[in-house]
Amino acid sequence: KAGVTQTPRYLIKTRGQQVTLSCSPISGHRSVSWYQQTPGQGLQFLFEYFSETQRNKGNFPGRFSGRQFSNSRSEMNVSTLELGDSALYLCASSVLAGEPYNEQFFGPGTRLTVL
Amino acid sequence: QKEVEQNSGPLSVPEGAIASLNCTYSDRGSQSFFWYRQYSGKSPELIMFIYSNGDKEDGRFTAQLNKASQYVSLLIRDSQPSDSATYLCAVTGAQKLVFGQGTRLTINP
Repeated sequence: KAGVTQTPRYLIKTRGQQVTLSCSPISGHRSVSWYQQTPGQGLQFLFEYFSETQRNKGNFPGRFSGRQFSNSRSEMNVSTLELGDSALYLCASSVLAGEPYNEQFFGPGTRLTVL
Repeated sequence: QKEVEQNSGPLSVPEGAIASLNCTYSDRGSQSFFWYRQYSGKSPELIMFIYSNGDKEDGRFTAQLNKASQYVSLLIRDSQPSDSATYLCAVTGAQKLVFGQGTRLTINP
């Protein structure tokens, strides 16, 4: 079974631009979560989608948004990029959502650099 | 107080020894606990999960959970150089997965 895929793998943008990242979950998985990973803050939860609905959102500004499609694929968007948005963005999928928490499997990530 | 705390290390262990990684968490309502391994430049890989108090063994890995003490650990027996990585503890809380900062483990040949 194919794993979680993310595109693109690398991105270089300039301040003020916007970016869209894509995630395709493992076949049969309906929940997709997004995380930001930086050396200083570690892995920070952005949001989770299940059946095209956002279930939960982390403490990030409104510039960070996402959506999920009927085939469970998900996108996240960051508008008005700032230097501090440079990070590894990780997508993780699980079969379901909620407690007892289903195991999450991560994609390879998208490395975003903001200049 | 951080929701999930881990010793950042680095933790250095000789090859063949037991590596012990520890994690404490603050949310008493947490029900699910995970250990991820992350090699440098790679994404986290799920290696163990545990839901009930006690020990859970999988090959060279043993996860231990003590909900009363809000403590979860990972033991790696017969440590190999390929075990050198950062180990992330993750705990469910407020309908999301909360990660610790990770412990960097180095296995010395």
